Amino acid sequence: DQQVKQNSPSLSVQEGRISILNCDYTNSMFDYFLWYKKYPAEGPTFLISISSIKDKNEDGRFTVFLNKSAKHLSLHIVPSQPGDSAVYFCAASAWASGTYKYIFGTGTRLKVLA
Amino acid sequence: EPEVTQTPSHQVTQMGQEVILRCVPISNHLYFYWYRQILGQKVEFLVSFYNNEISEKSEIFDDQFSVERPDGSNFTLKIRSTKLEDSAMYFCASSFTDSPLHFGNGTRLTVT
Repeated sequence: DQQVKQNSPSLSVQEGRISILNCDYTNSMFDYFLWYKKYPAEGPTFLISISSIKDKNEDGRFTVFLNKSAKHLSLHIVPSQPGDSAVYFCAASAWASGTYKYIFGTGTRLKVLA
Repeated sequence: EPEVTQTPSHQVTQMGQEVILRCVPISNHLYFYWYRQILGQKVEFLVSFYNNEISEKSEIFDDQFSVERPDGSNFTLKIRSTKLEDSAMYFCASSFTDSPLHFGNGTRLTVT
């Protein structure tokens, strides 16, 4: 049962343009959503998060949008830079069984072309 | 900025051997996790740990796996008898409460 899905395994974008990464979830209990960036041979690095009481959160070039009715979130990167090339994971979190549970999507490999 | 540290970065072991992967979470964090990523696949939850006990574990975390927080700083994952399919990157993570998980750089486990 894949509760968090990233349907695009890869995405290529020209430098300076917008990158849009998408994520869908199925469990309405999730109330906190995160995006992580991962380079090869490194651990995932936290990028940006959003609580379910919001529909948008912005941090510099990164904006996360949450559509609760559609159970969909997206990450926008504007403008995209070659250094943004990495695998991006979305994650959803809920309090369950006495702990915060974080479920990760399968990842989208972003390639920003110079 | 405080970070999660994991040792070793790479561990090679023979099938059937025991391995211990070590992690030092961020010092004021309360929740501790192990995840793994088989090459090219998703980051999979193994176990969460809070207040010196396991909070939740996945189907992957069977009797061959155990976790321990032997002192105030280390958090270990033990695999008693490794199998070929245990080969993966193992990530330790920690969080304060409902805050972002902070990950270490992982231990690459290769079982031959």
